[in-house]
Amino acid sequence: DVKVTQSSRYLVKRTGEKVFLECVQDMDHENMFWYRQDPGLGLRLIYFSYDVKMKEKGDIPEGYSVSREKKERFSLILESASTNQTSMYLCASSSNGVPGTEAFFGQGTRLTVV
Amino acid sequence: SQQGEEDPQALSIQEGENATMNCSYKTSINNLQWYRQNSGRGLVHLILIRSNEREKHSGRLRVTLDTSKKSSSLLITASRAADTASYFCATGTGANSKLTFGKGITLSVRP
Repeated sequence: DVKVTQSSRYLVKRTGEKVFLECVQDMDHENMFWYRQDPGLGLRLIYFSYDVKMKEKGDIPEGYSVSREKKERFSLILESASTNQTSMYLCASSSNGVPGTEAFFGQGTRLTVV
Repeated sequence: SQQGEEDPQALSIQEGENATMNCSYKTSINNLQWYRQNSGRGLVHLILIRSNEREKHSGRLRVTLDTSKKSSSLLITASRAADTASYFCATGTGANSKLTFGKGITLSVRP
């Protein structure tokens, strides 16, 4: 059974803290994604990685960074958490190339910044 | 900005009716995909259509793609209460098929 696992379902952090969200996939996928989901805004792409150590900014990268040191793991880092980063964060993975394949999602991490 | 825009934002129908959801996008694509999300859960892939395809079927789902109009539609036939969920279109673009989503459609199917 294919799996994308996010390290936490719920997380509460304080303003100014450095926050790490971890995502691991077991499908040997090249692509990994981080999205945030907010009511009325759908899923917005934060960062995309298409290979180890390779990354591409999405639509809303400000305030975030990512790390992909191993193929199976993609980390999202909030350098200095702020209350407007309170959101549901979703990780996904897929095979890369054209024409593309379906993405598999983790269950999400609901982050609250207080 | 988000690549895909779904229409309508919300749809309420009676069980047994068909549900049609539309998606428009802005740039050229490799593929277009539809996903479903039940309340509080992760997204589940429904169907993928490639840019050189015009129509695809999967069970009660039918998706069409019109690249000249940069639009797609998802038809769910004979809807069931269990189809109640949020539906998202997503477009795969670029050499590595970066996946970008729209804002989603909330479908309510009344028993």
